[in-house]
Amino acid sequence: EAQVTQNPRYLITVTGKKLTVTCSQNMNHEYMSWYRQDPGLGLRQIYYSMNVEVTDKGDVPEGYKVSRKEKRNFPLILESPSPNQTSLYFCASSFLPTGEGNQPQHFGDGTRLSIL
Amino acid sequence: GENVEQHPSTLSVQEGDSAVIKCTYSDSASNYFPWYKQELGKRPQLIIDIRSNVGEKKDQRIAVTLNKTAKHFSLHITETQPEDSAVYFCAASNTGGFKTIFGAGTRLFVKA
Repeated sequence: EAQVTQNPRYLITVTGKKLTVTCSQNMNHEYMSWYRQDPGLGLRQIYYSMNVEVTDKGDVPEGYKVSRKEKRNFPLILESPSPNQTSLYFCASSFLPTGEGNQPQHFGDGTRLSIL
Repeated sequence: GENVEQHPSTLSVQEGDSAVIKCTYSDSASNYFPWYKQELGKRPQLIIDIRSNVGEKKDQRIAVTLNKTAKHFSLHITETQPEDSAVYFCAASNTGGFKTIFGAGTRLFVKA
């Protein structure tokens, strides 16, 4: 089954304790992205990657890191989490744009992070 | 920076009525406009999308219109059903930048 898998689904942790949220897709997509979802703000893009070893900042990259060592995986790293990073996080993937333009993104089930 | 404004934030309709959600984007280079539906506790799922070379697209009870000159696009749901109740997000993206900007979402309630 084609899917984007995120782990963990839920995490409660404390300020300053490094954490990683994993994301894996099995659709051979080149493009992967991380979003955070907060009430009233919709989905805001944190980082995206167009292919292996190619990453770029979205609109809210501060406090986050990503890596893309393999095509299927795109982990989100919080080196020193703070309470303002408490949010619902979604990973998404798609094929690269074609001549028609950008392609639909497929989302994972989300990771709810609570940082105390 | 680029942004997408979405209205209304909440919409309540009677079953069988139509619902319209409107979005305005700022980046004139935007060329792809997807709409996502998010049910409570679930992931956003694509319901329809439109590209900048098309003015309207329809899929059964759902349609999307695009006005490139005014930088507006809208989602139309006809004959609404209780299962249409969800949060709907519009988005805009352009090929060159690879960024996707989402609207803040519209919570649709369909009353039986």
